Amino acid sequence: DAKTTQPNSMESNEEEPVHLPCNHSTISGTDYIHWYRQLPSQGPEYVIHGLTSNVNNRMASLAIAEDRKSSTLILHRATLRDAAVYYCILTGANSKLTFGKGITLSVRP
Amino acid sequence: DTAVSQTPKYLVTQMGNDKSIKCEQNLGHDTMYWYKQDSKKFLKIMFSYNNKELIINETVPNRFSPKSPDKAHLNLHINSLELGDSAVYFCASSFWATGYTFGSGTRLTVV
Repeated sequence: DAKTTQPNSMESNEEEPVHLPCNHSTISGTDYIHWYRQLPSQGPEYVIHGLTSNVNNRMASLAIAEDRKSSTLILHRATLRDAAVYYCILTGANSKLTFGKGITLSVRP
Repeated sequence: DTAVSQTPKYLVTQMGNDKSIKCEQNLGHDTMYWYKQDSKKFLKIMFSYNNKELIINETVPNRFSPKSPDKAHLNLHINSLELGDSAVYFCASSFWATGYTFGSGTRLTVV
């Protein structure tokens, strides 16, 4: 499986936008880019996924670089409830979800 | 309605015992999974079933035996529990090209 690289942690202020970067330079043409998050003491939760075009949903936006070697998860207005570990994951044809270390997002009131 | 439900939520047991964790999903998904999250918080896939057939077995000791009586259920039976089996176990289900839905986890403590 192609690997992703994320910073270990990031801090943000409440009600400000957050941009969480992810590098995936070895991505293949059929790999989807998924983002999940895990709030404290909960199971992982699907956030968003995309292939080539930018994607928006009620939780977040996903901006994918033109060469697909990086992507950014955008939380438009961070809330305290968004504090979590965010995982950027590539899935190939077998759709197996392999988690890395993720990025720990802290949100300051 | 809970989409993916696991029972029990907590399980404390002694070394050497045999225990089971049950998982049910009401999403109509074809594929179900078991993941293990250890004390360092790494999430690792253990098994995957598609329509009751095993498709992924990630080199898990054979003391762990998943069973899928139908595509809505995937149970995990663990024989001869060891201290190192202590972890949080998550069940999940998925449909192609959509997201995974995870259960809330079962915290297993082996003493």
